[in-house]
Amino acid sequence: SQQGEEDPQALSIQEGENATMNCSYKTSINNLQWYRQNSGRGLVHLILIRSNEREKHSGRLRVTLDTSKKSSSLLITASRAADTASYFCATPTGGGGSQGNLIFGKGTKLSVKP
Amino acid sequence: NAGVMQNPRHLVRRRGQEARLRCSPMKGHSHVYWYRQLPEEGLKFMVYLQKENIIDESGMPKERFSAEFPKEGPSILRIQQVVRGDSAAYFCASSPPKGTGSVEQYFGPGTRLTVT
Repeated sequence: SQQGEEDPQALSIQEGENATMNCSYKTSINNLQWYRQNSGRGLVHLILIRSNEREKHSGRLRVTLDTSKKSSSLLITASRAADTASYFCATPTGGGGSQGNLIFGKGTKLSVKP
Repeated sequence: NAGVMQNPRHLVRRRGQEARLRCSPMKGHSHVYWYRQLPEEGLKFMVYLQKENIIDESGMPKERFSAEFPKEGPSILRIQQVVRGDSAAYFCASSPPKGTGSVEQYFGPGTRLTVT
């Protein structure tokens, strides 16, 4: 079943603008992760936010988590053409081993025009 | 430290043939996960393995698909008698042992399977 749902499905902006992507999930989590995927490539881990954190920064990335609303947002500031990619949120099932498998949303396809 | 390695990167099979996909986790990682991605879709979990053990195969189709992670060597995802619907990108991820404090999964570049 789909756990994370990203919104919007596609986003097109100009270089220098900020990009905001949202993710909603259904069940309780202990962390939420954001990944980037360039076209035809593998996934790159961007940032992890734990359930007891509300906001986290990494360079031009800012992630928020609202566990009461079961939602997260990813903000990319001062976007660059190289940020063009699909962005996925993922939540772990928590079963067994280190953390169990990840459940991914369908992603937001971001296009940054130079 | 090399990342997660997958081979082959591209694989073409005719209907009815077998496909074998390999994944070598990052050094020191003992957990391997396989995911499948259809075009324009997110990744869907298939199977989670530790060395010589299948921990969770709830996402694996009941027939034709199998996975292993032997004591020595890479993890193998095997698809027998492939059909056109098996065409997809298959990603492997690995993570460190429990207790290290790290829960991120590190993904390989994927194997793109095309069934003709």
